[in-house]
Amino acid sequence: DIQMTQSPSSLSASVGDRVTITCRASQAISTYLAWYQQKPGKVPKLLIYGASSLQSGVPSRFSGSVSGTDFTLTISTLQPEDVATYYCQKYNSAPLTFGGGTTVELK
Amino acid sequence: EVQLLESGGALVQPGGSLRLSCAASGFIFRSYAMNWVRQAPGKGLEWVSVISESGTRTYYAGSVTGRFTISRDNSRNTVYLQMNSLRAEDAAIYYCAKGRGGSYSGPDYWGQGTLVSVSS
Repeated sequence: DIQMTQSPSSLSASVGDRVTITCRASQAISTYLAWYQQKPGKVPKLLIYGASSLQSGVPSRFSGSVSGTDFTLTISTLQPEDVATYYCQKYNSAPLTFGGGTTVELK
Repeated sequence: EVQLLESGGALVQPGGSLRLSCAASGFIFRSYAMNWVRQAPGKGLEWVSVISESGTRTYYAGSVTGRFTISRDNSRNTVYLQMNSLRAEDAAIYYCAKGRGGSYSGPDYWGQGTLVSVSS
């Protein structure tokens, strides 16, 4: 099975900072990669699909990119409401594995 | 508006069985794959299973293969997860999640979840 490795597992940043989260696939998955946001006590929310396509209604400060098997979620200007855990998920084939998650906190 | 309402979570003994249901509304149910995803307390997301739009194709995580069965009733807009031989490590919130399209499309909307506890 393809493994999805997210880094870092947690980070602390200030409001207005640029935040970058990485997800690495153990094998090629093309652009079959999604990013989710889960705020404390809430259900996950789809942010990005197809590695770089923004889900409708998601603020434009969120973006996704890919280079080979390395995927990146970027928050251009961190806002207080972005405090959450972020997960990547590959969906090119079963199992549709999630990464381990990255918790973003405010400094 | 997409709505997904899970039910059926309960406290069950190890080795026991449980059937979860997810009633869907707000979209053309028969046109989308449906997923189950779980989250143990304080842990990350774990994909469990997906069923194709027609129900003819099903896929499972290795941790549940042979014990869990996903099914759907497109006439009732409902997806099910039959869980047998439950183990302590199956304890989690189970989320029903609508696929963006077919089986290999990933979820886009999630229900509020139903809690499964496994303990003697």
